[in-house]
Amino acid sequence: NAGVTQTPKFRVLKTGQSMTLLCAQDMNHEYMYWYRQDPGMGLRLIHYSVGEGTTAKGEVPDGYNVSRLKKQNFLLGLESAAPSQTSVYFCASSYGKDEGYQETQYFGPGTRLLVL
Amino acid sequence: AQTVTQSQPEMSVQEAETVTLSCTYDTSESDYYLFWYKQPPSRQMILVIRQEAYKQQNATENRFSVNFQKAAKSFSLKISDSQLGDAAMYFCAYRTEGFSGNTPLVFGKGTRLSVIA
Repeated sequence: NAGVTQTPKFRVLKTGQSMTLLCAQDMNHEYMYWYRQDPGMGLRLIHYSVGEGTTAKGEVPDGYNVSRLKKQNFLLGLESAAPSQTSVYFCASSYGKDEGYQETQYFGPGTRLLVL
Repeated sequence: AQTVTQSQPEMSVQEAETVTLSCTYDTSESDYYLFWYKQPPSRQMILVIRQEAYKQQNATENRFSVNFQKAAKSFSLKISDSQLGDAAMYFCAYRTEGFSGNTPLVFGKGTRLSVIA
């Protein structure tokens, strides 16, 4: 049971380049989330999904897009990277409302992104 | 919007001693959950303890316990018998029950805890 995994672990981009971060979970969780962590800011929600094929905006969604084509995967895309998107990105997952033990979100190991 | 405030950016404690990390939150909801997450240098987010707002009893997990004061909107974390492995960034987080159930977490900015041998 790998839990929540993220690919890649580290990436350097030039301004204007695009990339996709992949999050995968093997716990059959209904809900998935993308957060970013900046120094002194804690974690802030970018986008989240309450089920396959559905996504919603979080606190800081600008400059990002997401897709949830399969229940186990949640993709975060940067179409045109900017230096302000330099951050550590965390994916998390949790059970849905009717799936019993639901309160806890399980986090991946994070992806460190540097945009030059 | 709900907010979570951790007023202590940094704390230190002697090994084997007890330390308390503070957290306050602002909400108009009556049903919600509170969490403390630990983030060691590896960056992995590790759940330390959680508290349901409808429960009056304070949650405990081994050396970790909370002091939940619902009226004061306060949720402090007490670490007893501190160990070197407790050194990490600690985040307080809040989540409402929400119509759809599990809603996203709102995090505080964190408290960096150092443990002195």
